[in-house]
Amino acid sequence: DTGVSQDPRHKITKRGQNVTFRCDPISEHNRLYWYRQTLGQGPEFLTYFQNEAQLEKSRLLSDRFSAERPKGSFSTLEIQRTEQGDSAMYLCASSLVPGPRGPEAFFGQGTRLTVV
Amino acid sequence: QKEVEQNSGPLSVPEGAIASLNCTYSDRGSQSFFWYRQYSGKSPELIMSIYSNGDKEDGRFTAQLNKASQYVSLLIRDSQPSDSATYLCAVNGNDYKLSFGAGTTVTVRA
Repeated sequence: DTGVSQDPRHKITKRGQNVTFRCDPISEHNRLYWYRQTLGQGPEFLTYFQNEAQLEKSRLLSDRFSAERPKGSFSTLEIQRTEQGDSAMYLCASSLVPGPRGPEAFFGQGTRLTVV
Repeated sequence: QKEVEQNSGPLSVPEGAIASLNCTYSDRGSQSFFWYRQYSGKSPELIMSIYSNGDKEDGRFTAQLNKASQYVSLLIRDSQPSDSATYLCAVNGNDYKLSFGAGTTVTVRA
């Protein structure tokens, strides 16, 4: 169990460019979540997957955002035509549902995006 | 109304004192409740989970849940400077989607 891994840890991009983030969940976990967090706020839900199925997308997730989880393993979050308002920490979490410890979710280190 | 609300901070406590953090939630069907600790610039770290009414103790941390009042709290006993962080309350509904509060920042002063 190596924990949830996110890549890259930091990303600086110019406004209008596309960016893609990757998340590798804990290996036996079937549930994967994406959140966005800005300074002074709690994590905002973006979307989540049960295995490869995307079960819900937040209204916050405009058509510039897309997430995939092919084969129910790793997940990618892509932001097209980035805007300065997209600057935030993007967090991935995974859990095993149902599981012996209940639906506890564990976070990766996050990807900090800065749009200049 | 926000789904999860936490008492506004920051909360400053002297070393060795008890820090008390509160959280209320709006979805009466919520099943699972969590407290995360987040150091500045880091990602949230799970410190407590609670699923049934009452108290749950783990070391210096005690979580308390009252589903009738839709209230969950976290007590940190014998507060240490290393406890200085933002504490996030998170709630799961029947769909297991985690909703977070805005967090309460705790500062433990020596």
